[in-house]
Amino acid sequence: DQQVKQNSPSLSVQEGRISILNCDYTNSMFDYFLWYKKYPAEGPTFLISISSIKDKNEDGRFTVFLNKSAKHLSLHIVPSQPGDSAVYFCAASAQTGANNLFFGTGTRLTVIP
Amino acid sequence: DSGVTQTPKHLITATGQRVTLRCSPRSGDLSVYWYQQSLDQGLQFLIQYYNGEERAKGNILERFSAQQFPDLHSELNLSSLELGDSALYFCASSVVGATDTQYFGPGTRLTVL
Repeated sequence: DQQVKQNSPSLSVQEGRISILNCDYTNSMFDYFLWYKKYPAEGPTFLISISSIKDKNEDGRFTVFLNKSAKHLSLHIVPSQPGDSAVYFCAASAQTGANNLFFGTGTRLTVIP
Repeated sequence: DSGVTQTPKHLITATGQRVTLRCSPRSGDLSVYWYQQSLDQGLQFLIQYYNGEERAKGNILERFSAQQFPDLHSELNLSSLELGDSALYFCASSVVGATDTQYFGPGTRLTVL
């Protein structure tokens, strides 16, 4: 049972434009959400996180939005750069209970120069 | 470089065999996590150790086991290997629990023939 879903396996965006990556979750106990970026032959790298007490967190070109009522979060990258081309994984955890992350299946972002 | 090291990088073995994957966490991190990524799948949490003790268990098969040693490095043992065990195995570490950022190693690619 996939508790974190990324329904778009791939996304292509022109350099300089906005990239929007989406993620849905089903478990209402999740209260901490993260985005990881993964290049080929490397492990995932932490990008940005958000706690359920917030609805937005910004770090430079990266902003994560959380809509708890819809159980949906999104990652906005603006402006997109060719170096952003990678697979992006959404992950979630519950601060109570098991301390593990539930990952989505990833979205491959290609930024076209 | 995340500071998490994993060996070996690649492992090719036959069905029915047993292998050991090794992980050294970042300096100062007490928690180690193991994840499995099969083809086109998200990362699936297997197990977490904290300061030598098992803390959380995910979808880990009975044929798989792990331990964390006093120097905090961890080993994942996979036995009676099947073709379906072919996957990327990632180790991650964090200071304490899941709300601390998890830093991932580069992974071990296991191929079972």
